[in-house]
Amino acid sequence: EVQLVESGGDLVQPGGSLRLSCAASGFTFSDYHMDWVRQAPGKGLEWVGRSRDKGNSYTTEYAASVKGRFTISRDDSKNSVHLQMNTLKTEDTAVYYCGRVLRGLEYWGQGTLVTVSS
Amino acid sequence: DIQMTQSPSSLSASVGDRVTITCRASQGINIKLGWFQQKPEKAPKSLIYDATTLRGGVPSKFSGSGSGTDFTLTITSLQPEDSATYYCQQYYNYPITFGQGTRLEIK
Repeated sequence: EVQLVESGGDLVQPGGSLRLSCAASGFTFSDYHMDWVRQAPGKGLEWVGRSRDKGNSYTTEYAASVKGRFTISRDDSKNSVHLQMNTLKTEDTAVYYCGRVLRGLEYWGQGTLVTVSS
Repeated sequence: DIQMTQSPSSLSASVGDRVTITCRASQGINIKLGWFQQKPEKAPKSLIYDATTLRGGVPSKFSGSGSGTDFTLTITSLQPEDSATYYCQQYYNYPITFGQGTRLEIK
């Protein structure tokens, strides 16, 4: 059974940093691209970025709204993907989901809440 | 960026009804479109990929059609548990983009 479990969400001040993690199980992690998607309170879904699989050299893509501030990394030995978020803004407040990609997002985690507020 | 526009933004239907949600892309995306269902306080769930193919375990009451710029999600024999917000997503190119969502209420 595919499982994705996010962690690391917290309350952080504007300008601060936070690192989210997504622990995967139930599949061969290195074979899949992994995405991060966020959802601000009461709003729709916004794609954040992607970590491609080993076969694609772990390259990354980002939404313009986070490029240069957020970094996605992965550790295939630990079946995990991470989202390092720097220079956080109040508009980054959202539930952050990780997802396994197979012809679009196939499986989603339950999400972790990031609140950016002073 | 490719803009995804869903219509309607919300709709109300009765148990047993059939509804259709439309998603329009601002440029052609071939069939690189997915549909998702999200219930309150829950993570989204993938229903359809490549515009028409149901994910494993998704009931056949859900169906998708379209290619290029115009797509539809149809739900038949509505039940109370179909009450949710539905999103389309294009994965034809980066950045990946979602529609704004369609809230479906079951009367």
